[in-house]
Amino acid sequence: SQELEQSPQSLIVQEGKNLTINCTSSKTLYGLYWYKQKYGEGLIFLMMLQKGGEEKSHEKITAKLDEKKQQSSLHITASQPSHAGIYLCGAALTSGTYKYIFGTGTRLKVLA
Amino acid sequence: DAGVIQSPRHEVTEMGQEVTLRCKPISGHNSLFWYRQTMMRGLELLIYFNNNVPIDDSGMPEDRFSAKMPNASFSTLKIQPSEPRDSAVYFCASSLVGGGSPLHFGNGTRLTVT
Repeated sequence: SQELEQSPQSLIVQEGKNLTINCTSSKTLYGLYWYKQKYGEGLIFLMMLQKGGEEKSHEKITAKLDEKKQQSSLHITASQPSHAGIYLCGAALTSGTYKYIFGTGTRLKVLA
Repeated sequence: DAGVIQSPRHEVTEMGQEVTLRCKPISGHNSLFWYRQTMMRGLELLIYFNNNVPIDDSGMPEDRFSAKMPNASFSTLKIQPSEPRDSAVYFCASSLVGGGSPLHFGNGTRLTVT
């Protein structure tokens, strides 16, 4: 969705490098989700952020939601080939609804 | 927990034929979503249900598309008649909304219309 912009669209990194993926909207984000998708498969839930300034981590992946709740970032530390895939952010843009839309995704390739 | 189950996994059909995609949400979830994913447009929300009632179908592209949820454990997305531009991967997701639950996605149905 153009209402949720992800950058970069694609990323190739060497194993062990850190990387950041951004998700931006001109509107307030309600219930910001990060998912990972492998080709031919469904979306795997990574993290959910709801409050401005919130930050969550799982293993080597950290996600943050800015104070204004209009931008989120996903940071991977010491990337591994297993991190390769498509990362999507999703959110509702209207409070009180569950109309979750998604960004166009960031395709990550990690070179061994 | 078996997760969200979609069938079939792959569907190949000829233009003009009717196509029905099926989804079984996770037991206890109260909301169900249908998405379509293409390279050009990404993941688009088609329709979502809350407690079996359609809440927002503004993403349904045309009248050729219809979705039903006759009970809490089953939903269908029907395309009649199908066209080549309907070729995409269709995902179903379910959630317990209001409880801070994420969307749980099925593995999708890859539809090819020739």
